[in-house]
Amino acid sequence: GAVVSQHPSWVICKSGTSVKIECRSLDFQATTMFWYRQFPKQSLMLMATSNEGSKATYEQGVEKDKFLINHASLTLSTLTVTSAHPEDSSFYICSARDRGDHFGNGTRLTVT
Amino acid sequence: KQEVTQIPAALSVPEGENLVLNCSFTDSAIYNLQWFRQDPGKGLTSLLLIQSSQREQTSGRLNASLDKSSGRSTLYIAASQPGDSATYLCAVRVGNNDMRFGAGTRLTVKP
Repeated sequence: GAVVSQHPSWVICKSGTSVKIECRSLDFQATTMFWYRQFPKQSLMLMATSNEGSKATYEQGVEKDKFLINHASLTLSTLTVTSAHPEDSSFYICSARDRGDHFGNGTRLTVT
Repeated sequence: KQEVTQIPAALSVPEGENLVLNCSFTDSAIYNLQWFRQDPGKGLTSLLLIQSSQREQTSGRLNASLDKSSGRSTLYIAASQPGDSATYLCAVRVGNNDMRFGAGTRLTVKP
């Protein structure tokens, strides 16, 4: 149980385009989901907390207009990287919370 | 603000050795602590979850302990195998907040 599906697992896009990443809890409902970012050989850094039915809470230094988060249902949160640039290339991981935090397999974003 | 530190940053051992990975955190008022494994370019695999009221958890060759008062946790791996080679991450959760991660220990087990 407690499976989190994250799609796509990898994506390559051109600079200036937008990319949407989905995070789904498959067998449980999650009022809270989290989005993390991981640079090579570094640990996970929280980007934002996504709460179902309300606005996401962003960490200091994370541009909310660039990283759009929508948590429209209890099983789905999306992260849209708008007007992507090469410096946005990274590994993005989501987690969904019930009694514990359950992580997706991550999305490798490469912006060319 | 919760700070999580993992020592050592990297560790290389021959196959069969028992080893200990260390994690320390600054805020002892944690909700739980979790150990993860991450293979290169992959997501996180949860290994052990210790609730704040617990002192240890065991799964197979893995044993994790928690000492909240001193802000420490250890992950003990018995009889290490080359397949154990990965990065091990420690993360703590404080209340309803997110999980804060350490930088990880990169483990290499040589055949």
